[in-house]
Amino acid sequence: NAGVMQNPRHLVRRRGQEARLRCSPMKGHSHVYWYRQLPEEGLKFMVYLQKENIIDESGMPKERFSAEFPKEGPSILRIQQVVRGDSAAYFCASSPGRMREGETQYFGPGTRLLVL
Amino acid sequence: DQQVKQNSPSLSVQEGRISILNCDYTNSMFDYFLWYKKYPAEGPTFLISISSIKDKNEDGRFTVFLNKSAKHLSLHIVPSQPGDSAVYFCAARLWGGSQGNLIFGKGTKLSVKP
Repeated sequence: NAGVMQNPRHLVRRRGQEARLRCSPMKGHSHVYWYRQLPEEGLKFMVYLQKENIIDESGMPKERFSAEFPKEGPSILRIQQVVRGDSAAYFCASSPGRMREGETQYFGPGTRLLVL
Repeated sequence: DQQVKQNSPSLSVQEGRISILNCDYTNSMFDYFLWYKKYPAEGPTFLISISSIKDKNEDGRFTVFLNKSAKHLSLHIVPSQPGDSAVYFCAARLWGGSQGNLIFGKGTKLSVKP
């Protein structure tokens, strides 16, 4: 059973460009989460999605960031007009359903975004 | 404001001894706590969890203790092995929320010396 897949693993963008980060959840998982980790920091929750629905976007910046999880295909985190402060590691996680006690979110290897 | 705090950025332990990683939290509405282990350039890997209605959970070499009155939890690794060297994150889930929003501490880097 393949784990959570994220691509690309590394992404370099110039200021003002768009960044698209992809996440394929584990097989059988319909819930996806995105987190961002800045250097020397813990992971910060961004958004929680189920197929075609946003469940919780309380951690998403109000501008330039969007996320989707279509019926078919991977989840996409999109950052428009990137700035240097967007440089971070972006982790995707998945779970079969709403996380119950005794369960966990399974994390992918992350995408390291560098904005020049 | 940090709701989950790991006040020790690093910890060094001799192989075979006990490693104790600490985590403090401020929000009494957290109902579920998890520990993750992370190697460089990889994603976090789940280790062990504990519900707020329990005070201890054990899985092999890993034991998590929860002291609700002190808002403190700790992860014990016995015996420590060099392969345990990694960054350990404590995470908490808020009761009544979406149940998807985990709040992480900044991590503690554990080094186990042979």
